[in-house]
Amino acid sequence: EVHLVESGGGLVKPGGSLRLSCAASGFTFSTYSMNWVRLAPGKGLEWVSSIISTRRSSSDYIYYADSVKGRFTISRDNAKNSLYLQMNSLRAEDTAVYYCARDSAPYGDYHTFDSWGQGTLVTVSS
Amino acid sequence: EVVLTQSPGTLSLSPGERATLSCRASQGVSSYLAWYQQKPGQAPRLLIYDASNRATGIPARFSGSGSGTDFTLTISSLEPEDFAVYYCQQRGNWPITFGQGTRLEIK
Repeated sequence: EVHLVESGGGLVKPGGSLRLSCAASGFTFSTYSMNWVRLAPGKGLEWVSSIISTRRSSSDYIYYADSVKGRFTISRDNAKNSLYLQMNSLRAEDTAVYYCARDSAPYGDYHTFDSWGQGTLVTVSS
Repeated sequence: EVVLTQSPGTLSLSPGERATLSCRASQGVSSYLAWYQQKPGQAPRLLIYDASNRATGIPARFSGSGSGTDFTLTISSLEPEDFAVYYCQQRGNWPITFGQGTRLEIK
């Protein structure tokens, strides 16, 4: 069974940093593209970032939403079956529950999310 | 950026009734549209992918249709556990976007 568990959320002041982690189990982590999606209070879901696994290259392709580009960095450690999101220069509008989500099939950027973690809450406030 | 507009914002129905949820895209996304269900405090759950394909383990009462700019999620006969927020999401144009959600509540 696929299992994703996020951690690292908390209260941080504007301009501060946080690093989120997502521990994965139940599947071959290295072969799947992984994503971060957030849900801000009173708003809908928002895609944040993707890290794409491909057969052709040992390097991953990385994409960001414009709202976080230059401030957030997605990465993964396949040896530890873990996904990360380094968040710098945090703003009040980054306040949200952050979910890690798995792509629906290996080796590609399908951007359909078939498994999700329970989320970790990030609150940016002075 | 493709804007997905979901309607209605809130839908009030009774168990056993049929629910029809709409998602309209600001530009064509082919059939690259998914539907998710989210209950309070829970993770979203994939229901439908590529407009009309049910995800693994999703009951047959859930169905999706549409292509291009107009999509529909239909729940043929509502069960008590179906009352939740539903989101559409497109992957046909970059960046990936979600709709603002439809809240399905018990009447």
